[in-house]
Amino acid sequence: AQTVTQSQPEMSVQEAETVTLSCTYDTSESDYYLFWYKQPPSRQMILVIRQEAYKQQNATENRFSVNFQKAAKSFSLKISDSQLGDAAMYFCAYRLNTGKLIFGQGTTLQVKP
Amino acid sequence: DTAVSQTPKYLVTQMGNDKSIKCEQNLGHDTMYWYKQDSKKFLKIMFSYNNKELIINETVPNRFSPKSPDKAHLNLHINSLELGDSAVYFCASSQESRGNSPLHFGNGTRLTVT
Repeated sequence: AQTVTQSQPEMSVQEAETVTLSCTYDTSESDYYLFWYKQPPSRQMILVIRQEAYKQQNATENRFSVNFQKAAKSFSLKISDSQLGDAAMYFCAYRLNTGKLIFGQGTTLQVKP
Repeated sequence: DTAVSQTPKYLVTQMGNDKSIKCEQNLGHDTMYWYKQDSKKFLKIMFSYNNKELIINETVPNRFSPKSPDKAHLNLHINSLELGDSAVYFCASSQESRGNSPLHFGNGTRLTVT
C-alpha cells in the first residue's frame, strides 16, 4: 500500500532562516507525482510546489524548493528566508496513477520573529 | 472570484439528522473530490468524480452519498449523522483525474455533530 510519512510533527524556524521539512513515501510505481500543500490557520489548502517523478531536476517556486531523491523515496521541502506568513501546517502528498492523492500526517511549522 | 466554493462553512447538527454540503467550482475542471480532515488533521479521500462519473469510492459508510448533477458541482449528502462524522470536509477539483494537475481546494466545511 502506498503511504506518505512526515516524521516531524512540529518544526520551528527563526524568521529569515532556512528550514527543511522531511517527507518519505512508499510506492512500487515508477511514474507518479508529488506535492506540498500548506494549510494556514484559515484552514485553506494552498499548493506550494509539485514534482514529477520522471524529472530529475528539483522543483523550485521562489523561496520554496524540494530535494527529490527518487531512489530513497524522499521529497523534502526547503523554505528559505522564512517569513511569519509561512507559519502553517505543511502536508506532503503523493498522487497515484488512479488519481488518488494521498497525504502525509502534516508538519506544523512555527516561525519565530 | 472563488474558484472552489463550498457551503455552508460551518454546520452544527444533532445525531440522527440528515445534512448536505454543496460544492461548486468555476475553474472548468473535469474532476472533483471530497476529502475528510479529522481532528488530528489527517486528510483522507472519500470520493472522486470525473465528468459526473464516480471514479474513486473509498471505504466510506453508505450513509455518505455524493451527487454530481454536472461537472461543476459535487454535493455530499450525509444520512443519520453520528458523532464520529464530526470533521472538516473539503471539496476539491483538478483539471484532470490523473497526472500532475494539482487539486484546488475549497475552504472546508466544519461539521459538528452533537
